[in-house]
Amino acid sequence: QKEVEQNSGPLSVPEGAIASLNCTYSDRGSQSFFWYRQYSGKSPELIMFIYSNGDKEDGRFTAQLNKASQYVSLLIRDSQPSDSATYLCAVPDRGSTLGRLYFGRGTQLTVWP
Amino acid sequence: GAVVSQHPSRVICKSGTSVKIECRSLDFQATTMFWYRQFPKQSLMLMATSNEGSKATYEQGVEKDKFLINHASLTLSTLTVTSAHPEDSSFYICSAIRLDFTDTQYFGPGTRLTVL
Repeated sequence: QKEVEQNSGPLSVPEGAIASLNCTYSDRGSQSFFWYRQYSGKSPELIMFIYSNGDKEDGRFTAQLNKASQYVSLLIRDSQPSDSATYLCAVPDRGSTLGRLYFGRGTQLTVWP
Repeated sequence: GAVVSQHPSRVICKSGTSVKIECRSLDFQATTMFWYRQFPKQSLMLMATSNEGSKATYEQGVEKDKFLINHASLTLSTLTVTSAHPEDSSFYICSAIRLDFTDTQYFGPGTRLTVL
């Protein structure tokens, strides 16, 4: 069983601030990492994936990966109230089940105006 | 991104009836789909892995005779909740794997099941 841990939250930031969401994983051999966003009552939607150490930017979102520390984070710049959601970190199964993801419990983010 | 649909989006049924939920990948073929269940304010829970042309693989504690999964084509998987009871009321979400270099999992919009 792979372990994916996320900071418990809830996280509350003011509009315009940077929200930082953190995730650690137990499988040192993991190669790819996914961030999903889930609004209340909705299904998860993919925000970004990252494979390489370092930063990957997509609009206001930046994923940061440090494989040596087994740590992946998601930064949301210029946070908006519409970013209020639960953010899920996910790591693929490297075993027999192709495509299976292990999810963290999620961090609930609230951006207040 | 890839599109995954689910039908119905919401269903209310009486206790003891069976409910079928469809999951379709609209713009790609998916040899593997996943079925999740999520109770209010709880994490996603993987129920089973659905493989086209073969039997589904169920997670520990999930009754395969109660949650019947059929993956008859590369774009369709169905989940049938048999003899549903109020404790089966939940949010059921499917996902499909788009097989490219990312092997990304895309989620359907979910089906909210209420059993009276």
